[in-house]
Amino acid sequence: DQQVKQNSPSLSVQEGRISILNCDYTNSMFDYFLWYKKYPAEGPTFLISISSIKDKNEDGRFTVFLNKSAKHLSLHIVPSQPGDSAVYFCAARDFKAAGNKLTFGGGTRVLVKP
Amino acid sequence: SQTIHQWPATLVQPVGSPLSLECTVEGTSNPNLYWYRQAAGRGLQLLFYSVGIGQISSEVPQNLSASRPQDRQFILSSKKLLLSDSGFYLCAWGGFGSGYTFGSGTRLTVV
Repeated sequence: DQQVKQNSPSLSVQEGRISILNCDYTNSMFDYFLWYKKYPAEGPTFLISISSIKDKNEDGRFTVFLNKSAKHLSLHIVPSQPGDSAVYFCAARDFKAAGNKLTFGGGTRVLVKP
Repeated sequence: SQTIHQWPATLVQPVGSPLSLECTVEGTSNPNLYWYRQAAGRGLQLLFYSVGIGQISSEVPQNLSASRPQDRQFILSSKKLLLSDSGFYLCAWGGFGSGYTFGSGTRLTVV
């Protein structure tokens, strides 16, 4: 049972344009959401997060939007740069679960073309 | 600042051989520690987590085990590897806020 889903396995975008990555979840107990970026053969690195009490969080070129009623979040990267080419994972925390565990989606591979 | 070390970076092991992957954390005490696996083309699957010395919780039934002999040391083991154990193994420590900090990962290939 996948509680966090990234339905687009890949995304190709031109440099300078907007990248939009989507993530859907099913567990209404999720209270905190994060996006991670991963290069090949490296561990994921934290990108941006959002609490369930907010609907938007912005950090430089990265903005995360949360729609709780739709159980949907998205990551916008504007403008996209070639260095943004990586796999992006969304993750969510169930505040009732032990161990402060994060549940990850399957990832979206982003390719930014120069 | 907190850092996490994970080794080895790559490992090729025959089927039926044992496994030991080690992870250590610096700059924090009593961290929550996690082992994740990324199979080829797949997402990150939580294998084990630990909230303290000697405390291990398993998320999925499998051929692997974990131990936490010291506060900042987390070990992933297997007595006999299977082909299906191949993957990219990640150790992480974390808490609230920015979530987890991941190690650099171990690429395990079982042949």
